Amino acid sequence: SQQGEEDPQALSIQEGENATMNCSYKTSINNLQWYRQNSGRGLVHLILIRSNEREKHSGRLRVTLDTSKKSSSLLITASRAADTASYFCATGSAGKSTFGDGTTLTVKP
Amino acid sequence: DVKVTQSSRYLVKRTGEKVFLECVQDMDHENMFWYRQDPGLGLRLIYFSYDVKMKEKGDIPEGYSVSREKKERFSLILESASTNQTSMYLCASSAARGLGTEAFFGQGTRLTVV
Repeated sequence: SQQGEEDPQALSIQEGENATMNCSYKTSINNLQWYRQNSGRGLVHLILIRSNEREKHSGRLRVTLDTSKKSSSLLITASRAADTASYFCATGSAGKSTFGDGTTLTVKP
Repeated sequence: DVKVTQSSRYLVKRTGEKVFLECVQDMDHENMFWYRQDPGLGLRLIYFSYDVKMKEKGDIPEGYSVSREKKERFSLILESASTNQTSMYLCASSAARGLGTEAFFGQGTRLTVV
């Protein structure tokens, strides 16, 4: 059963612009994670935010979590062509993560 | 550098064959997972394991089995491959149960069943 759903499904921006992706989930969570997947590769962990946190930063990434709305957002600032990838949110409990369908981000040089 | 290694990047098998997908991690992680990834369906959990010789069914276990004889190795077995098992298979590992932790993924195996 899918827990997280990302929105939009696809996003195309120019280099230097900011990219925002959203994730909604259905049930209570312990934490929420964001991953990146380059074409044809495995997923790479970006950031984890716990249910008692509201915002977290890592370099050019900013993640927010609103447990009352069961939603999270990932902001990538000053995007680069190398940020072109699919981005997934995953909700975790008991060491197991459930992933959404992902947002495909294209950053044009 | 931490690593999850899947035995093959690309695999082509015939319908009815028994297929083994191998995954090895070098991080001494307790948890290991097998997902399949299909367009429009995201990542779906097939099986997972929290310890040696232990396995749990995920969301789509039908047609698959797993083996975990050693802590570092988690094998996915397609008992009799079918064309609807053509997919990208991803192995992952993570450190511990509880609150959920970062998962490390292998590079994926793209399996085609003909």
